[in-house]
Amino acid sequence: QVQMQQSGPGLVKPSQTLSLTCAISGDSVSSNNAAWNWLRQSPSRGLEWLGRAYYRSKWSYDYALSVKSRITINPDTSKSQFSLQLNAVTPEDTAVYYCARGLMMKGLDSWGQGTLVTVSS
Amino acid sequence: QSALTQPASVSGSPGQSITISCTGTSSDVGGYNSVSWYQQHPGKAPKLMIYEVSNRPSGVSNRFSGSKSGNTASLTISGLQAEDEADYYCSSYRTSNTLVFGGGTKLTVL
Repeated sequence: QVQMQQSGPGLVKPSQTLSLTCAISGDSVSSNNAAWNWLRQSPSRGLEWLGRAYYRSKWSYDYALSVKSRITINPDTSKSQFSLQLNAVTPEDTAVYYCARGLMMKGLDSWGQGTLVTVSS
Repeated sequence: QSALTQPASVSGSPGQSITISCTGTSSDVGGYNSVSWYQQHPGKAPKLMIYEVSNRPSGVSNRFSGSKSGNTASLTISGLQAEDEADYYCSSYRTSNTLVFGGGTKLTVL
């Protein structure tokens, strides 16, 4: 059974970089069947998909237009984890952030526990 | 404003059936058989209930079913139970390889 454990700071200052990590157990970050996703949820924006990384002979990345200029998702095969970096954050980036596994087009079947990140000085 | 449109709330009595709609466009819901539905209880991560329009993951009750017609997908819950009270979200893959969600529907079991 796949488990996903998130870690990272809960408070980030405006204009700085939000960084979160998702550790995977029970699957491989370089699996040819999976995609590794980041999402966030806030009262104002609802549940919002941010992006994903997946390996199909090479690494590929897809990002939501709303954050495309600020986001990076990095897989780390040596540690079986993947990370989220969101640059130049503002208070509007305050949300609960989730990592999740997707299997091809079959939905997001495993989720991290969620991390509340507050952007405030 | 969410990419997919869901009703803000629905309600039903125990034992009844309810249906939640999810309306998109031909670039997402109507164009792909990749609609998923998620259940979320307060303070918890979403849980996958339906994938590829009408398939249930292992362990999900057969009281949950999904369908699609044109640009609108639907989630039906039959034999409502108290533990079904939660928020429900639809999602779909969209042209340009992105994933979009609905605004969520709060289900109240009366």
